[in-house]
Amino acid sequence: AQTVTQSQPEMSVQEAETVTLSCTYDTSESDYYLFWYKQPPSRQMILVIRQEAYKQQNATENRFSVNFQKAAKSFSLKISDSQLGDAAMYFCAYRIHGSSNTGKLIFGQGTTLQVKP
Amino acid sequence: GAGVSQSPRYKVAKRGQDVALRCDPISGHVSLFWYQQALGQGPEFLTYFQNEAQLDKSGLPSDRFFAERPEGSVSTLKIQRTQQEDSAVYLCASSAWTGGSTDTQYFGPGTRLTVL
Repeated sequence: AQTVTQSQPEMSVQEAETVTLSCTYDTSESDYYLFWYKQPPSRQMILVIRQEAYKQQNATENRFSVNFQKAAKSFSLKISDSQLGDAAMYFCAYRIHGSSNTGKLIFGQGTTLQVKP
Repeated sequence: GAGVSQSPRYKVAKRGQDVALRCDPISGHVSLFWYQQALGQGPEFLTYFQNEAQLDKSGLPSDRFFAERPEGSVSTLKIQRTQQEDSAVYLCASSAWTGGSTDTQYFGPGTRLTVL
């Protein structure tokens, strides 16, 4: 069974600084996707960034980037130049690739990020 | 619509009551997912629809949980004889995914169910 683990229940960062959120996962599949989702207090889950497992290049979206280490099954999220609006709960998620599966997401437990002014 | 909507946003039920939670996916989205999110936890998969077909219901915790999407758009999650352990936020997500592509699941705001 696939599992996703986020070992940092809470993190804090000073505004304008950089923070890294950790995620590890366990799977026997070779083809899959990894995601970071952001959930502000309003609870609307928003996709932050996505990584295809077959791509060696780390995904980047503006101030958000990932460090994808496939052999180590590690997928961390780096937020640069942190802003107050980045404060939220962040979830790492996994999905198997392929038309034979449903595309359901498997989520980690989440990391609450606090941004200090 | 502009996004996934869910109603009601908040629902309080007495133990033993039946509840129905509604999800309006993004127009034209083929896939629809229901997740259950306990307080302070990550969402957990409940069930999946591709159009009107329920292709995966492996995450439904008991036979008190039932979901339908009769016309392939709006979906309803029904919980019969609610128990306190059913208290959670129920999230709905939709995507254009029909298999193998990299499209995104878009989430609704959720329905917070409290069972007293």
